[in-house]
Order: sequence, then C-alpha cells, then structure tokens
Amino acid sequence: KNEVEQSPQNLTAQEGEFITINCSYSVGISALHWLQQHPGGGIVSLFMLSSGKKKHGRLIATINIQEKHSSLHITASHPRDSAVYICAVFMNYGGSQGNLIFGKGTKLSVKP
Amino acid sequence: KAGVTQTPRYLIKTRGQQVTLSCSPISGHRSVSWYQQTPGQGLQFLFEYFSETQRNKGNFPGRFSGRQFSNSRSEMNVSTLELGDSALYLCASTDTYGYTFGSGTRLTVV
Repeated sequence: KNEVEQSPQNLTAQEGEFITINCSYSVGISALHWLQQHPGGGIVSLFMLSSGKKKHGRLIATINIQEKHSSLHITASHPRDSAVYICAVFMNYGGSQGNLIFGKGTKLSVKP
Repeated sequence: KAGVTQTPRYLIKTRGQQVTLSCSPISGHRSVSWYQQTPGQGLQFLFEYFSETQRNKGNFPGRFSGRQFSNSRSEMNVSTLELGDSALYLCASTDTYGYTFGSGTRLTVV
C-alpha cells in the first residue's frame, strides 16, 4: 500500500463544475503540499499546509490531521485548470527534516 | 525575482555514460532538493542539500550523487547510466513558504 493515496486517478469535468480531489496518507507528517503539473513537466506549488484550510483564488485546500486526509477543491472550474494535481507529504522524522513522499497524481481534464 | 533554473532542458545519453545536471535555486534559498519522475514510479525524492551538506537522501543506488556549492547552486550526477534512468529530473529550492520547482531536465538514455 502506498503511503500517499490520491483519488480519483482521472477526473473529467465540465467547465463551471465544482471539483474535489482527495489525498489520504498513512505516516506522521509535518506538512502536506498540493502541486500542479501541466503538460511539459513544470510543477507549481499550490499550497503547503499543516492544519486547517487555505484559499487562493478558486482553489481551496483543507487538511484533517487526525483523519490523515486532505482535499483540494476547485470552484467554477475552467479548461485552464486541466493538469495533474499531486499531493505530497513531508514526513515527520521525530522533529528532524524528512523526505517528500508523493501521491501518484490526479489527472484533471475540464471540458468547455 | 528569477525562478529556479535547471540546465540542460533535454539530454540524450548512451547506456554506461555518466551525466551531470545543474540547478540554480532562487537567490537567497539555501535548500535544494532533487526528484526523479517516471511514468511508472511517479515522483520520487532523490536528495536534499542545505548549506553544502546533504541533509536527506531517498532510496536510490549510489550511482546517483549530488553536491551543493557555496552559492547554493547544486549538481546531481548519475554514473553508469541505465535505460531505466530515463526520466524527468526536477529540482526545487525551498524557503519557509514552500517549494519552487524548476522546469526539469528530461534525460533519455539509449
């Protein structure tokens, strides 16, 4: 079993729809990241969170530390949101820096 | 401010050769980390450097190595290349606000 599981693997939506991508992890973490990767490879860090909720424009990320679960929401989706969204967790090694462990990604396609 | 710069963008090498990739972080960032991305394994952590010291290492063979210079620029080296080393290699520089990734170097081993 992977330490970081994302669902769904693939998601197709119509423009304007509300989208949710889920991430579950099984290890102790100090932070969780949501990343966006467009075709061509470039990765953009969307959020880094260790508790609660963050919002940036149409994007909202939440994390529940007790349940080891995070969600990324996109409101009023647009074709330019089409990308792979990757969840990554920063493992907690007893207070010292750990490694980033990545989920397999969710491929989102938003149709006009 | 300038982003993270990786060179070269594309590289083709032959099995058995060695390769060196370069990463220049955002000015002022002292932490640089490296990642390998393949279709089968996804993104995997290679190593992290901070102030010229390797702070963490992922689960990769010793053929993969790296270093960081006093100006925070980092290089990674892969020796005795194998076909399975074909991948997108990404570096990221880090500050307290998070990670900034470079565009990557796409390595093809033939």
